[in-house]
Amino acid sequence: ETGVTQSPTHLIKTRGQQVTLRCSSQSGHNTVSWYQQALGQGPQFIFQYYREEENGRGNFPPRFSGLQFPNYSSELNVNALELDDSALYLCASSLAVGGIRLGEQFFGPGTRLTVL
Amino acid sequence: AQKVTQAQTEISVVEKEDVTLDCVYETRDTTYYLFWYKQPPSGELVFLIRRNSFDEQNEISGRYSWNFQKSTSSFNFTITASQVVDSAVYFCALSEGAGGTSYGKLTFGQGTILTVHP
Repeated sequence: ETGVTQSPTHLIKTRGQQVTLRCSSQSGHNTVSWYQQALGQGPQFIFQYYREEENGRGNFPPRFSGLQFPNYSSELNVNALELDDSALYLCASSLAVGGIRLGEQFFGPGTRLTVL
Repeated sequence: AQKVTQAQTEISVVEKEDVTLDCVYETRDTTYYLFWYKQPPSGELVFLIRRNSFDEQNEISGRYSWNFQKSTSSFNFTITASQVVDSAVYFCALSEGAGGTSYGKLTFGQGTILTVHP
């Protein structure tokens, strides 16, 4: 069974740039959630994708957007990067049936984004 | 709105000591799930336990035990005979909805940094 994988591991960008982070869900999982974890804080929910559509969103501006592909992998895109976007971005996958999540969310190792 | 509070920012113990990590939550839902995750220095969140709001039975798994008390909205985590490998950041989290549904959003606490010294 393949776990959740994320790429890249680390990334350095400058203010105003755009970034794309990638996540491959665990085998058998069809739902992907993204979280932002600032240094010294708990993870904050960004949004979730189910059936290739956004299925719930946290308190993040529209410049945070995402995609889910037919193979259930997902991308997180952030436009017009700001210094405060520097954080660990975590992806979690789970299984949902009929919109109901079953079982746990399993997290990937994260992507460390630094915005200079 | 959901809220999870972990009042202990950092805890330092010596190996073999018992340690309890506190978690207090707020929710308006009658059906919800509570979780504990461990985050070692590598950064990956490791799932430890899930409890639903209808099951207040305490649980023990090896050196780990959890005390869920609905009356005080608390879900505390105890490590017995701590080991150096237990050093990590521990997060308590809450998910609302029946069966952990809605969209399964997890609301995390701020985390407790546990350091176990040899």
